[in-house]
Amino acid sequence: GAVVSQHPSWVICKSGTSVKIECRSLDFQATTMFWYRQFPKQSLMLMATSNEGSKATYEQGVEKDKFLINHASLTLSTLTVTSAHPEDSSFYICSARDGAGGYEQYFGPGTRLTVT
Amino acid sequence: AQKVTQAQTEISVVEKEDVTLDCVYETRDTTYYLFWYKQPPSGELVFLIRRNSFDEQNEISGRYSWNFQKSTSSFNFTITASQVVDSAVYFCALTAQGGSEKLVFGKGTKLTVNP
Repeated sequence: GAVVSQHPSWVICKSGTSVKIECRSLDFQATTMFWYRQFPKQSLMLMATSNEGSKATYEQGVEKDKFLINHASLTLSTLTVTSAHPEDSSFYICSARDGAGGYEQYFGPGTRLTVT
Repeated sequence: AQKVTQAQTEISVVEKEDVTLDCVYETRDTTYYLFWYKQPPSGELVFLIRRNSFDEQNEISGRYSWNFQKSTSSFNFTITASQVVDSAVYFCALTAQGGSEKLVFGKGTKLTVNP
């Protein structure tokens, strides 16, 4: 149990376009989802925390207008990178917290974004 | 504020050697959870262990063992008889306030096990 999926697993887009990444909890309801960003050979950096039905809370330094997060249901959160630039190329990982389980975060497999 | 320090950036060993990955944490909360994750080249994070702040018992799982010492704020991870498949980046992480807070990751230790 406790499976989180991400789609797509990788995406290449042109500079200036927008890309949407989906994060789904497959067998549990996720009241809270987290979005992380990982640059090559670096650690995971939390971008934002999203709670179902409310606005996401962004970490300091993360542009909320550039990284749009929507958590419209208990099983789906989306991250949209708007007007992507090459510096947005990164590995994006989501995690979901089981609303019934409390503290455990279950991680998705990640999405590798390359902006050309 | 929470902080996790993994001082070892990269470690290289020969197969069958034992290796210990260090993790030191900082938190003012009395209730917190510590984690270890493995990230192979594919990128997917693999959960290894969770330990809460009230349980200082060391744990062994096959070739893996963990040493949690509150006195030194450390949660070290040892791989016994390392194998090539153990090659990966290993992250130590912390969440406080009983787990309701966000996960804070260390910078990771890249382990390379050579045949």
